[in-house]
Amino acid sequence: EVRLVDSGGGLVKPGGSLRLSCVGSGFTFNTYTMNWVRQAPGKGLEWVSSITSGSSHIHYADSVRGRFTVSRDNARNSLFLQMSSLRADDTAVYYCARATPDFDSWGQGTQVTVSP
Amino acid sequence: EIVLTQSPGTLSLSPGERATLSCRASQSVGSPYLAWYQHKPGQAPRLLIYGASSRATGIPDRFSGSGSGTDFTLTISRLEPEDFAVYYCQQNGSPPITFGQGTRLEIK
Repeated sequence: EVRLVDSGGGLVKPGGSLRLSCVGSGFTFNTYTMNWVRQAPGKGLEWVSSITSGSSHIHYADSVRGRFTVSRDNARNSLFLQMSSLRADDTAVYYCARATPDFDSWGQGTQVTVSP
Repeated sequence: EIVLTQSPGTLSLSPGERATLSCRASQSVGSPYLAWYQHKPGQAPRLLIYGASSRATGIPDRFSGSGSGTDFTLTISRLEPEDFAVYYCQQNGSPPITFGQGTRLEIK
């Protein structure tokens, strides 16, 4: 069974940093492009970032470029999102998702709240 | 960036009725790269349709997708109680990947 487990969310002050993790199991992690998607309160889904299987191609949404960094450790079946210079509008549930290229498997989500 | 506009914003229907959801793109989307997702509160989104018209694994055949170019449709032939949720279209062919703003399907 394909499984993705997100973690690392929490409460952080504006300007702070946070690192999200996603661990995959039940599939060959190092052959898939992985993504981060978020949903702010009362809003729709917003794609955040993608990273190809070997980390050769990385993309970001304009809203996070220069502040967020995506990476992966295929030896540990892990995906990361380093978030810095966090703002109130980064408050959201963050999901990792496997791409085929459709997002066929998702983590359960981790809550990030940016507030004084 | 390809902008996806979904309509209607909210759709109020009764179980057993047919639902038709629309997704219009600001520029042509290759059919292999148009997907539909269902999202319920507190749950992860679920892939319903990929390649504009192919059902994902385990998706009931009451869900169907159609369309090409800039106009796509998700149809639910006979609504079941568990189908009331928010539905999103997505294009994943041209970075940045984009989602529509969603259609909320609510019980009338």
